[in-house]
Amino acid sequence: KAGVTQTPRYLIKTRGQQVTLSCSPISGHRSVSWYQQTPGQGLQFLFEYFSETQRNKGNFPGRFSGRQFSNSRSEMNVSTLELGDSALYLCASSQRTSGLGELFFGEGSRLTVL
Amino acid sequence: DAKTTQPNSMESNEEEPVHLPCNHSTISGTDYIHWYRQLPSQGPEYVIHGLTSNVNNRMASLAIAEDRKSSTLILHRATLRDAAVYYCILRAAIIQGAQKLVFGQGTRLTINP
Repeated sequence: KAGVTQTPRYLIKTRGQQVTLSCSPISGHRSVSWYQQTPGQGLQFLFEYFSETQRNKGNFPGRFSGRQFSNSRSEMNVSTLELGDSALYLCASSQRTSGLGELFFGEGSRLTVL
Repeated sequence: DAKTTQPNSMESNEEEPVHLPCNHSTISGTDYIHWYRQLPSQGPEYVIHGLTSNVNNRMASLAIAEDRKSSTLILHRATLRDAAVYYCILRAAIIQGAQKLVFGQGTRLTINP
């Protein structure tokens, strides 16, 4: 069974540009969540989707957005990139929607903003 | 969000047991205790979770204090592959916002050969 797939794995952008990251969850998983990981702030929750609906959002500016498609694949977008957006962006999927379901994480997309 | 407190780092030797502590004095009655770990250059990986009783799986054991204000993750026989950052996380067993994990700084575990 394939794991969570994130693309691209690495990318470099410049300030002011925008970026779209993609996440394909494990087959059959309908919950997808996104996290940002930086050395200073650690792992921080961005948002969570279930059945194409955003169910929860972390404390990030409106430049960070996401969506989920009918096949459960998800994308996140960051507009008007800033240097501080350089981070590892992790996607996780889960089969269950309660607090008991194990989250399966991808290997992440490492974004560098110059 | 209920908070957890873990030591910043711990060190152990290969093939010895490791006890990773976690304090969660503000835990609520419906919070489950979850442990994840993150190996270098990888996303976090689920280890174990429990509510009140001690739990065992193929990776580790979870010992939960009777008052649930603390817990200990036990690696019975550490290997070099167990070197990682270990996160103790409280999760409410609810649907809304269930996928939001609140990660602390975790414990960086070093295993000596």
